[in-house]
Amino acid sequence: AQSVSQHNHHVILSEAASLELGCNYSYGGTVNLFWYVQYPGQHLQLLLKYFSGDPLVKGIKGFEAEFIKSKFSFNLRKPSVQWSDTAEYFCAVIVNNDMRFGAGTRLTVKP
Amino acid sequence: GAVVSQHPSRVICKSGTSVKIECRSLDFQATTMFWYRQFPKQSLMLMATSNEGSKATYEQGVEKDKFLINHASLTLSTLTVTSAHPEDSSFYICSARGGWREGLSNEQFFGPGTRLTVL
Repeated sequence: AQSVSQHNHHVILSEAASLELGCNYSYGGTVNLFWYVQYPGQHLQLLLKYFSGDPLVKGIKGFEAEFIKSKFSFNLRKPSVQWSDTAEYFCAVIVNNDMRFGAGTRLTVKP
Repeated sequence: GAVVSQHPSRVICKSGTSVKIECRSLDFQATTMFWYRQFPKQSLMLMATSNEGSKATYEQGVEKDKFLINHASLTLSTLTVTSAHPEDSSFYICSARGGWREGLSNEQFFGPGTRLTVL
């Protein structure tokens, strides 16, 4: 079945560590890709998005993601995490006009 | 950025009653609105997609007679959970998409969600 896969269910890091969260999708054709963050008790916020062009996308709060078409991947990265980055992170894909989400990755950053 | 509101933010109801949740795009016209359901510690599951003035398109496994969606205008969509039961308890999130015409790059904006608890 077509899907969006986030491989890491829960990631625990210390402050200043580097972060990479995996996202793979199985849809063919043109896709639009997104990463959202959901802080505890808050609604989804867009971190970054890719529609076309430069496959390395820079978002807010120091996050970036790289679209690798051959690998059907759109991994999220941040060189140095902060305690305030503790949240749930969702990868999403728009295909056939519908947005589909991965299962989410819970990031816990220890101070 | 564009803002999407939901009302109410939290509702508790008795089993068998119906609950209506409103979703509004406050400062843009939404060409399409989406309703998602999120169980605790799980991802968002798309329930249905609706365009203004037309019937909603439901995802497989979502009962359209139970989850009534009305997209009355370009800024308002409602989700009515009919004859709610405890298993309907969940977090319901709406999302609205503006168009290129709105300068919103076809982006989806999410509401804050409505937590439904059915006793």
